[in-house]
This record gives sequence, structure tokens and C-alpha cells, in this order.
Amino acid sequence: GAVVSQHPSRVICKSGTSVKIECRSLDFQATTMFWYRQFPKQSLMLMATSNEGSKATYEQGVEKDKFLINHASLTLSTLTVTSAHPEDSSFYICSAAPGPYQETQYFGPGTRLLVL
Amino acid sequence: AQTVTQSQPEMSVQEAETVTLSCTYDTSENNYYLFWYKQPPSRQMILVIRQEAYKQQNATENRFSVNFQKAAKSFSLKISDSQLGDTAMYFCAFLDRKKTSGSRLTFGEGTQLTVNP
Repeated sequence: GAVVSQHPSRVICKSGTSVKIECRSLDFQATTMFWYRQFPKQSLMLMATSNEGSKATYEQGVEKDKFLINHASLTLSTLTVTSAHPEDSSFYICSAAPGPYQETQYFGPGTRLLVL
Repeated sequence: AQTVTQSQPEMSVQEAETVTLSCTYDTSENNYYLFWYKQPPSRQMILVIRQEAYKQQNATENRFSVNFQKAAKSFSLKISDSQLGDTAMYFCAFLDRKKTSGSRLTFGEGTQLTVNP
């Protein structure tokens, strides 16, 4: 089946630094990629939708200047958490959809971010 | 906006027995997809089963089957012959089928299923 990778799997950083998380579709081209955030024992919350070559669409309440998304190619999307603070600590998951209707989404393994 | 509700935060079942997880949703759309995803302790999201709203026949994948009641907006998951590896958080999810305006998955709160030996 289709594989989506995320790097890094885990990152610890100091407050005030920026962290970049990569999401790659390894064996297919993804017209759309999605970024989710998941707090412990909670559901996935969609943060933003990114389409290759265009600006990301952010969900209400998500700061676009805080969470920078770049979808530079059909196989790579990046999420940069700028000036991270402890409240940004969370589990970040990406998914990638090969088709226009996004009815099939393949999820990455997630990235655990801890901001000290 | 669509909402997905899972009213059972936790459930447990004995190995080899059958368990049913509940899910209800609210939408004004007529063309959509419903999913059950599994998230084991590794936290990797795994697609369990998918149902297209325009299909009346309930989807089945090996030991997993759904009871899709479109009029009642209900979408329950039945796991037969439960196995220890089925222990996971299960999320019900809804996707509206909109090409131009962008589709998005809406997840329920999740049900933690524990299969006991």
C-alpha cells in the first residue's frame, strides 16, 4: 500500500526555537496533504490543508504565522512551528491524498513535539 | 458543518467475542464517505473500513463490518472474533465529497477498545 513518512518522529526543543516537520509520500504523488494535531487521549484536529504549489488553507483558530506550511512538490509538505512554546507540545500527524476528492488518505506515523 | 459523535469513550471485550462500536453523524450533504480508523499504541492511523454513502450495501473487511443506516445517520462498526491486536483507539470519521471546495475528514472523539485475553 501507499506509504507516508514523517521526519522527525520525535523532537525536543527549547522554547522560542522553530521546528520543521517533513511529510513525504513515498510511492505516490499527493495532490493534497493535511496536517493534524492530536493531544493525549483526544481526537485528531485538522490544522490545515495544503495543495501543491498553492497557499495552505488553515482551519479556524489556527495561526498561519505560527504554523507555516509549505507544499513545494507533489511528494513533500513541511510544517514549521515558529517560536515554539510549551503549549505547542503535541503529536502532529500528516496525511496525503492521491486523488482530487481526498476520499483516500494515507497517514504518516506522526511526530511528537516537546517544547521545554 | 458536519459533526461526528462516538458516545462510548471506552469499551472492552473478551478475546474471540464480538463487539460493536457506535457512531452517529450529522450532515446536510447527500454524497459523502464514512470511515473507521484504528490507532494502536504506536499512534499510526490505520484505515479499517470505508463506506460510500450512495451504496446501500454495508461494507465488510474480513472480521470488520459496518451497519450503515443513512436515514438515521448511524454508522456502527462490528468486530467479530476479537483479537488482542484489535486493542486500539477507534475513530469514526466523515468526509464530504467536494472536489472544488476541498474535502476534509471530521473525526469523532474516539472509542478506546480493549480486548482481554
